[in-house]
Amino acid sequence: QSALTQPPSVSAAPGQKVTISCSGSSSNIANNYVSWYQQLPGTAPKLLIYENNERPSGIPDRFSGSKSGTSATLGITGLQTGDEADYYCGTWDDNLNTVLLFGGGTKLTVL
Amino acid sequence: QVQLQESGPGLVKPSETLSLTCTVSGGSISGYYWSWIRQPAGKGLESIGRIYAGGSTNYNPSLKSRVTMSVDTSKNQFSLRLTSVTAADTAVYYCARGRGHCIGGGCSYYFDFWGPGTPVTVSS
Repeated sequence: QSALTQPPSVSAAPGQKVTISCSGSSSNIANNYVSWYQQLPGTAPKLLIYENNERPSGIPDRFSGSKSGTSATLGITGLQTGDEADYYCGTWDDNLNTVLLFGGGTKLTVL
Repeated sequence: QVQLQESGPGLVKPSETLSLTCTVSGGSISGYYWSWIRQPAGKGLESIGRIYAGGSTNYNPSLKSRVTMSVDTSKNQFSLRLTSVTAADTAVYYCARGRGHCIGGGCSYYFDFWGPGTPVTVSS
């Protein structure tokens, strides 16, 4: 069981907006920056968001990130069928202090 | 564009040692952290550890007693050794480039480039 809690699944219709939450604690999310990764079926994870709300080059602005207290949120607008994937949050943990801590992942279904 | 590629045996016997290598192309291995992450079938991601180009390492405490990472800057490669493997170590193993720093607002650490992953099965 991960120290970062994500909902196992979310769903929404094409064109709609969806949010995915990542809940942590004072030793991880509250004190550090959050990143988000998209894993399409059968492929390696891909960086979507880093440092809470920054997008790497090539990531469309339909993807956004935010953080408040011990929680972070990934938002996806204008949903497309190609967005159907697993999404993972990640952050540093002051107690672990060695490797990136991942959330358990959320399966996004675009209905 | 930085590219990473994992290589190594896809089948390892129980109690033996899993050895994987990641080859980095399109950029230098210097100046970055290099990590291994694994994912059992149908499950989430688990960080195994990281090595800085200079050779310093950090390992997941849950695996620390069995993990060794090394780097060969002349070949732009880094490697993972996991000893005394069991069926629980069966997973897809990814290598990735890590970037990070700690500033007033906390620590930022993330993986910006990943290899495609290599499946490893532990079975006799």
